[in-house]
Amino acid sequence: SQQGEEDPQALSIQEGENATMNCSYKTSINNLQWYRQNSGRGLVHLILIRSNEREKHSGRLRVTLDTSKKSSSLLITASRAADTASYFCATRDRGSTLGRLYFGRGTQLTVWP
Amino acid sequence: GAVVSQHPSRVICKSGTSVKIECRSLDFQATTMFWYRQFPKQSLMLMATSNEGSKATYEQGVEKDKFLINHASLTLSTLTVTSAHPEDSSFYICSASGTAVFEAFFGQGTRLTVV
Repeated sequence: SQQGEEDPQALSIQEGENATMNCSYKTSINNLQWYRQNSGRGLVHLILIRSNEREKHSGRLRVTLDTSKKSSSLLITASRAADTASYFCATRDRGSTLGRLYFGRGTQLTVWP
Repeated sequence: GAVVSQHPSRVICKSGTSVKIECRSLDFQATTMFWYRQFPKQSLMLMATSNEGSKATYEQGVEKDKFLINHASLTLSTLTVTSAHPEDSSFYICSASGTAVFEAFFGQGTRLTVV
């Protein structure tokens, strides 16, 4: 079953704009990960943030984590048409390093050229 | 990142036949593999977790006799959909984790169509 929810479910922006997606979860976590999925393809791992981290950067991606609010955000700066995809957050329960991931419903991002 | 290869990417089969999907970790030893099912515009639903050398753990509501999972080696897990029905048509994705790999890496997915 799902653990978290992404918000918004769909986001449509112009190239060059920033895209912000939010994720909320329910239990105490070991880490939170963001994945990207192009239509009909597998998931690509984007970034992992551990429960003791508050912010992490990778290229044009910025992820924040607020464990007190059980929420995370993914910011994509200077978006490109190629960023069009579904983005999922996934959590792994505290005490579990190799255990199952719980996925949210995803945010469908469309970036118009 | 680590590479997980899933094969085939697409398969069409007739009702009543069985289909095998392979998931291979190419550059690391996958002690745990997960099999997911995804319906259009939906999230991933975990079907089962398999650890190398032991029986898979199935999620509630997933028929173990219909979805046979084998994880005989540290680099290969297979999902066999037995006696396939049109309602089994879906997108199936595997992921793999190893002792040295904290992220879960995903295969490319298999689009199964049962006609």
